[in-house]
Amino acid sequence: DIQMTQSPSTLSASVGDRVTITCRASQSISTWLAWYQQKPGKAPKVLIYKASSLESGVPSRFSGSGSGTEFTLTISSLQPDDFATYYCQQYNSYSRTFGQGTKVEIK
Amino acid sequence: QVQLVESGGGVVQPGRSLRLSCAASGFTFSSYGMHWVRQAPGKGLEWVAVISYDGGNKYYAEFAEGRFAISRDNSKNTLYLQTHSLGAEDTAVYYCAKASCSSTSCHIAGGDDSWGQGTLVTVSS
Repeated sequence: DIQMTQSPSTLSASVGDRVTITCRASQSISTWLAWYQQKPGKAPKVLIYKASSLESGVPSRFSGSGSGTEFTLTISSLQPDDFATYYCQQYNSYSRTFGQGTKVEIK
Repeated sequence: QVQLVESGGGVVQPGRSLRLSCAASGFTFSSYGMHWVRQAPGKGLEWVAVISYDGGNKYYAEFAEGRFAISRDNSKNTLYLQTHSLGAEDTAVYYCAKASCSSTSCHIAGGDDSWGQGTLVTVSS
């Protein structure tokens, strides 16, 4: 299986901060990468697909970039509703894999 | 609107089997691929399996290969996950999720209603 490694595991930030989360794949996945947001007790929600395409209804402060093995999720100005856990997932291979998650906490 | 409702979870002894179901409504179920994803208590997301719109293609995570079987009944708008030889490591909330297209190659669909609420499987003696 392709391994996905996110960093950092936890991130402390303040409202208004610019936040960047990195996801690295163990082999090239082109741009077959999605980013999800999950809040406690809730199902995940997709934010970005195909590495940089913003899902309908997702605020424009979220953006994604990258290709091959290195990807980033950026929140341009962190809002109170954005404190959550974020996951990347590759869908290049038949067997999909998630990263281990990045928890964004209030500083 | 799209609605996905999982059922079939519960407490099961190690080594036993369990069949999970996901009842779909609010969309043309037979036109979309479907996924199972699980999450152990306090842990991250773990993809389990995907099935194409017609059930013709199925793919599994390494840990699920040979132990779990994904299937669907389009006449009943229902997705299934048959699990066997369960161990403590299989304790998790199991979610079904709608794909963004008919095949197995696309991402999980967006929107707040593309995932079910989950069903908890607890493997314990």
